[in-house]
Amino acid sequence: AQSVAQPEDQVNVAEGNPLTVKCTYSVSGNPYLFWYVQYPNRGLQFLLKYITGDNLVKGSYGFEAEFNKSQTSFHLKKPSALVSDSALYFCAVRGTNAGNNRKLIWGLGTSLAVNP
Amino acid sequence: KAGVTQTPRYLIKTRGQQVTLSCSPISGHRSVSWYQQTPGQGLQFLFEYFSETQRNKGNFPGRFSGRQFSNSRSEMNVSTLELGDSALYLCASSPVTGNLGYTFGSGTRLTVV
Repeated sequence: AQSVAQPEDQVNVAEGNPLTVKCTYSVSGNPYLFWYVQYPNRGLQFLLKYITGDNLVKGSYGFEAEFNKSQTSFHLKKPSALVSDSALYFCAVRGTNAGNNRKLIWGLGTSLAVNP
Repeated sequence: KAGVTQTPRYLIKTRGQQVTLSCSPISGHRSVSWYQQTPGQGLQFLFEYFSETQRNKGNFPGRFSGRQFSNSRSEMNVSTLELGDSALYLCASSPVTGNLGYTFGSGTRLTVV
């Protein structure tokens, strides 16, 4: 069965420090992987996605993520955190085989707090 | 280019009532998906519509239904509301079906009392 795990409910970092939000997945076939961000009382905003190609994906607002097939991970990173990055981050995955494997499966989210 | 528009933004209903939520996708987007978001359960997929046809359905009871119109606008209906239906309901649109990237609306916050 497909699944996504975001092992940390909350991540705290100091402004200016690098940040990592972790995501691991389980899916049949090759994965399509996504990161979204949600600010309070708002919908989700797309950050980046991995479909194929270079394992390092660059996205919006200076975020990037690295696809690691052997570790089945797709961690979100940013070299220097801003207070405005404080939000809820969601990882999502879908498989590439037919049928239900193409459903988008979401992690439960990680709350990122960047302290000034 | 206008984003995904959901109306209303906030709604308070009484148990047993029914409610209809509306979603207007980005112009040109033909796929509309609905999600329920609650603190404990995260994002739960309700259904996806593409070209007025339901393409996928999540594991929700029959009280939850939806439809899509020829202009791609979509409505979601919940009948016989329960307290547990209180949630943020999110609509997401994409140009085609296949879950390759969504644009989300700001959601409708439904409170059932």
